[in-house]
Amino acid sequence: DTGVSQDPRHKITKRGQNVTFRCDPISEHNRLYWYRQTLGQGPEFLTYFQNEAQLEKSRLLSDRFSAERPKGSFSTLEIQRTEQGDSAMYLCASSLHLKTGELFFGEGSRLTVL
Amino acid sequence: GQQVMQIPQYQHVQEGEDFTTYCNSSTTLSNIQWYKQRPGGHPVFLIQLVKSGEVKKQKRLTFQFGEAKKNSSLHITATQTTDVGTYFCAGRVDSNYQLIWGAGTKLIIKP
Repeated sequence: DTGVSQDPRHKITKRGQNVTFRCDPISEHNRLYWYRQTLGQGPEFLTYFQNEAQLEKSRLLSDRFSAERPKGSFSTLEIQRTEQGDSAMYLCASSLHLKTGELFFGEGSRLTVL
Repeated sequence: GQQVMQIPQYQHVQEGEDFTTYCNSSTTLSNIQWYKQRPGGHPVFLIQLVKSGEVKKQKRLTFQFGEAKKNSSLHITATQTTDVGTYFCAGRVDSNYQLIWGAGTKLIIKP
């Protein structure tokens, strides 16, 4: 399978705990994005990488959120001291910086904070 | 800030009827993309429009980009049950900027 894969698909945690999500993009894609989506809303941009460089981070993103892409391949998104408001679907997408710019999304990691 | 408004939020249609969703941007866009998200699924890219006044067709789907590059529409002719899902537009002000997503229009087929 050469699509975008995310792990875990579901995570239930207690408020205050830390969680980490992993994304493996399509191998030749140099851009990787993290989005958050809640029910009935469109994806909300969190951050993106070109290769290993984190080029942009949403101003709405709390300091509790951090993302890495250490070797320009897979990426991790960590949420520290989770809050109930963090409950959402976390989507990863990758793209190749060509003229189309289409995003290929993974299945997402659903976070539930109790 | 830059926004993309998408209407309607929901559209209930009988199978075989047409469906249309509209997006309006507060600023001129360099391009606009459309995605479909099936219930429980993830967004899947449908198309990108770049040129002013551009019209593209994919079978029963017709995509338009306005002359001023501030609005776009997706029209589905003779809906089928396989069309069920939420359709999102996402526009880019500049190639160096992130996509600005609409809130989506949910297509619901009446039983």
